[in-house]
Amino acid sequence: DSGVTQTPKHLITATGQRVTLRCSPRSGDLSVYWYQQSLDQGLQFLIQYYNGEERAKGNILERFSAQQFPDLHSELNLSSLELGDSALYFCASSSTNPGTENTEAFFGQGTRLTVV
Amino acid sequence: GENVEQHPSTLSVQEGDSAVIKCTYSDSASNYFPWYKQELGKRPQLIIDIRSNVGEKKDQRIAVTLNKTAKHFSLHITETQPEDSAVYFCAAPLNSGYSTLTFGKGTMLLVSP
Repeated sequence: DSGVTQTPKHLITATGQRVTLRCSPRSGDLSVYWYQQSLDQGLQFLIQYYNGEERAKGNILERFSAQQFPDLHSELNLSSLELGDSALYFCASSSTNPGTENTEAFFGQGTRLTVV
Repeated sequence: GENVEQHPSTLSVQEGDSAVIKCTYSDSASNYFPWYKQELGKRPQLIIDIRSNVGEKKDQRIAVTLNKTAKHFSLHITETQPEDSAVYFCAAPLNSGYSTLTFGKGTMLLVSP
């Protein structure tokens, strides 16, 4: 168990719908990262939050948004869903502070999203 | 930002053989290079990492080497076992000073008994 909790584990929804994925980081970790894993795309970085503020942005679509709350949990919102959004969405957390040495990123078990 | 290329995409070996996976990176300022293992249906987990101030690091049957001049790093697994079968990802910081990692596309390692 990595200490990172993601809910739900599985989600099936129709095209055009909106869903929210939730992540609770390891206790004490201020950084949360979201990654999308498709069969042919590996682990694609979407967005990072550090202590409630957006820190880095990757290949995140405009239909997707995220936030980190004061209790440090994070939510990834996916809207106007398309078939191609079907993927495994991972959340990770680390204790690394900006500008300091990198430390291990711990991944949650992921949320498998299926858009039908 | 950093770009990480990983080869090969698939690797099949016999049990007991060695396996080598290679990655190249583009940003000469990158200073942290982890390797993650992802078993089927599970989350990626860190197996070893190396920082830019050393050239090699070992942990039992796995080792990582770093060539800063050529900007590449490699994962070496010796005496492979069937339980080593998984997808392996290399990674590097997205940008200098950032904790976000950018990953290679992964190598599926299959170890046959």
